[in-house]
Amino acid sequence: SQTIHQWPATLVQPVGSPLSLECTVEGTSNPNLYWYRQAAGRGLQLLFYSVGIGQISSEVPQNLSASRPQDRQFILSSKKLLLSDSGFYLCAWSVIVGGEQYFGPGTRLTVT
Amino acid sequence: QQQVKQSPQSLIVQKGGISIINCAYENTAFDYFPWYQQFPGKGPALLIAIRPDVSEKKEGRFTISFNKSAKQFSLHIMDSQPGDSATYFCAAISGAGSYQLTFGKGTKLSVIP
Repeated sequence: SQTIHQWPATLVQPVGSPLSLECTVEGTSNPNLYWYRQAAGRGLQLLFYSVGIGQISSEVPQNLSASRPQDRQFILSSKKLLLSDSGFYLCAWSVIVGGEQYFGPGTRLTVT
Repeated sequence: QQQVKQSPQSLIVQKGGISIINCAYENTAFDYFPWYQQFPGKGPALLIAIRPDVSEKKEGRFTISFNKSAKQFSLHIMDSQPGDSATYFCAAISGAGSYQLTFGKGTKLSVIP
């Protein structure tokens, strides 16, 4: 069966510091991968998606970036965090376009 | 046109009662409608999903009703239990090359004993 991992689970970082969040999927090949952000009490906002290694599409312009160095690894990064980057970051995967998306456990990021 | 409007924002139901959450959409290109359940501090979990070629789908105590002409769909939780207390999100996606799930803003359900 497929599983999705995210780490770290929680992170507290000062403003201006760099960020690296990692997501890995097991049990499937060539998944579509997604990064979402969920602000407190709000819905989910798609940040990036990837259909293959090195292929990244951005949905929302911001100071975050994403990379996919391996088939089942997706990384969310920032060079300098802003206070507004605080939130709950979720990685998701899907087999097909327009189909079910399955979410990871999330990373709670607090920028102080 | 990309919005999915979800109501109510919060819902309190007695144990054993029926919980009903409604969603409405405008984009007629949407062709897949999943519901997600999210517990505090956890990622959303896919609960049940429907495509517009059927009007109802049932899985255990959870039922999706879909009204294509009204562009509305709803989640019914029968015999609601305290363990169902969570936030529920409806979502929609256009399968024609679209990667983006459009989410409703969520409904916080509390089932009281």
